[in-house]
Amino acid sequence: DSGVTQTPKHLITATGQRVTLRCSPRSGDLSVYWYQQSLDQGLQFLIQYYNGEERAKGNILERFSAQQFPDLHSELNLSSLELGDSALYFCASSPRLAGGNEQFFGPGTRLTVL
Amino acid sequence: AQSVTQLGSHVSVSEGALVLLRCNYSSSVPPYLFWYVQYPNQGLQLLLKYTTGATLVKGINGFEAEFKKSETSFHLTKPSAHMSDAAEYFCAVSAGPRSNDYKLSFGAGTTVTVRA
Repeated sequence: DSGVTQTPKHLITATGQRVTLRCSPRSGDLSVYWYQQSLDQGLQFLIQYYNGEERAKGNILERFSAQQFPDLHSELNLSSLELGDSALYFCASSPRLAGGNEQFFGPGTRLTVL
Repeated sequence: AQSVTQLGSHVSVSEGALVLLRCNYSSSVPPYLFWYVQYPNQGLQLLLKYTTGATLVKGINGFEAEFKKSETSFHLTKPSAHMSDAAEYFCAVSAGPRSNDYKLSFGAGTTVTVRA
């Protein structure tokens, strides 16, 4: 158990819908990362937050957005869902701005878009 | 920018045999390098990492990796495979100490199966 929690574990929805994925980092970790794992794209970095502020953006679609709240939990919002958005979404956390620090991964949320 | 290439998407070894997973990286700055393992239906767990200092890095579960700058490689080895090593393994790179870019760039992964 990494100490990072993600809810829900599974999510099944239809095209065009909007969903919210939630992540609670390890206690004391200030930095949160979101990654997408799909069969065709592999593991891709989406976005990073540090202490409530967006720190870095990766291959994140404009239909996707995220935020980190004052209690440091983070939410990833996916809208106008398409079949291709079906994937495993991971959240990771680290104590500071990572660098060489380990990123601790949650168990993931498996999103299925029908 | 940083990227990683993992050679071989599937590796099959006999129990007790050497496990060797290959990883080559590309980075415009000195990198940090990582190996993660993913068991079915679980998140990623760090096996080991190279940041600075000793180029031979020892990790959990008997794994080790050697950073070779001249070969831009960070291959993962374990002398004797165990059935519990069956999993998917990911090599990852991030920009090193001269950068404030902390995201991980992952390879495509190598699935390891262990034969009894």
